Amino acid sequence: GQQLNQSPQSMFIQEGEDVSMNCTSSSIFNTWLWYKQDPGEGPVLLIALYKAGELTSNGRLTAQFGITRKDSFLNISASIPSDVGIYFCAGQGYAGGTSYGKLTFGQGTILTVHP
Amino acid sequence: GAGVSQSPRYKVTKRGQDVALRCDPISGHVSLYWYRQALGQGPEFLTYFNYEAQQDKSGLPNDRFSAERPEGSISTLTIQRTEQRDSAMYRCASSLPQGEQYFGPGTRLTVT
Repeated sequence: GQQLNQSPQSMFIQEGEDVSMNCTSSSIFNTWLWYKQDPGEGPVLLIALYKAGELTSNGRLTAQFGITRKDSFLNISASIPSDVGIYFCAGQGYAGGTSYGKLTFGQGTILTVHP
Repeated sequence: GAGVSQSPRYKVTKRGQDVALRCDPISGHVSLYWYRQALGQGPEFLTYFNYEAQQDKSGLPNDRFSAERPEGSISTLTIQRTEQRDSAMYRCASSLPQGEQYFGPGTRLTVT
């Protein structure tokens, strides 16, 4: 089945540092999304990308939809302790499939920020 | 306003028993999704509904799993004859048509 490869699996950084994580797919998606999950909670949408090449920012977060539509990256600038959590990429609207509603998630990146 | 709610939050059951997990979507959200999340993994799609119609059930692992949404609001995911490998966090999400999916807190299922 569909799989997204997300890297790195985990990151340990100092407060104030920038963070970068990425996601690649074997297939094309029409939409790329980035979610954050806190302990005991469900994933919360951070950024949605709808066009190949699109670069979108949300505060200290910046994400890009790769030109090939098979990859995306997320950058977090000037990290703070509350950035701690698990970050997931997800693809939606898999070209070649018929199910728009289905999200395919990566394995997640665990982010730890040391004050 | 109220978010997606799921019940029970925790369910422990013995192997072979049937379980029913409930999802109450955000009011007005016509689409409802079920995912399963294993520890250390991202959510894995199971099935989704638009109103009461099941649009895609390709992610249901086998015929022990079924879902319904008879009135286009609350949904129930049923697992028959549970097995230990069914233990996971089961998450529900809802959205406006083709909109952002909002996730609930999940039901942690443990099969002993």
